[in-house]
Amino acid sequence: GALVYQYPRRTICKSGTSMRMECQAVGFQATSVAWYRQSPQKTFELIALSTVNSAIKYEQNFTQEKFPISHPNLSFSSMTVLNAYLEDRGLYLCGARTGTGDTGQLYFGEGSKLTVL
Amino acid sequence: KTQVEQSPQSLVVRQGENCVLQCNYSVTPDNHLRWFKQDTGKGLVSLTVLVDQKDKTSNGRYSATLDKDAKHSTLHITATLLDDTATYICVVGAQGGRALIFGTGTTVSVSP
Repeated sequence: GALVYQYPRRTICKSGTSMRMECQAVGFQATSVAWYRQSPQKTFELIALSTVNSAIKYEQNFTQEKFPISHPNLSFSSMTVLNAYLEDRGLYLCGARTGTGDTGQLYFGEGSKLTVL
Repeated sequence: KTQVEQSPQSLVVRQGENCVLQCNYSVTPDNHLRWFKQDTGKGLVSLTVLVDQKDKTSNGRYSATLDKDAKHSTLHITATLLDDTATYICVVGAQGGRALIFGTGTTVSVSP
């Protein structure tokens, strides 16, 4: 079956340090990968969308300088939270889509939970 | 302003009972709507995708409806089980783009 593995599942980091999280698509080709953040008591916000053969598109309030993303092939993506501070804590989700349509299958990883001390 | 609103915010049902979750949205233009289940502290599991102007889907004990004219969707859970305890999130896909707009979720607690 198709799965998305995300790791690490949990990270505790000191304020000002960085954390890298990875997203692995298994059993399908991820033509696009979106990274989301669920902050405490909030819903999910889109950070950026990465589509194969296109530039990574960041949402307002999120920048490449703060959340650099790598999407080197159809099965792997990584995102780093640079200089993490308290407001960066939350659950980071990777969502991978197959095909080119908007209603294609969409798979989410279990998330990488970031705690900042 | 929240573009995707879910109600109720939370509910408690007894095992075996049915429940209905509501999703109202203002996203325009709307392409499709998805329902996800999120267990505490975990990721999202897709339950269904609704696409048509007036759509209905069924996935085991989960069934859903969509009315794009009313910009309204419902998720029905039949004969709830303890494992149905989770947060259910309604997500609207915007037309012409790949962006997904998430609702705030309904927390369902199933008691024995």
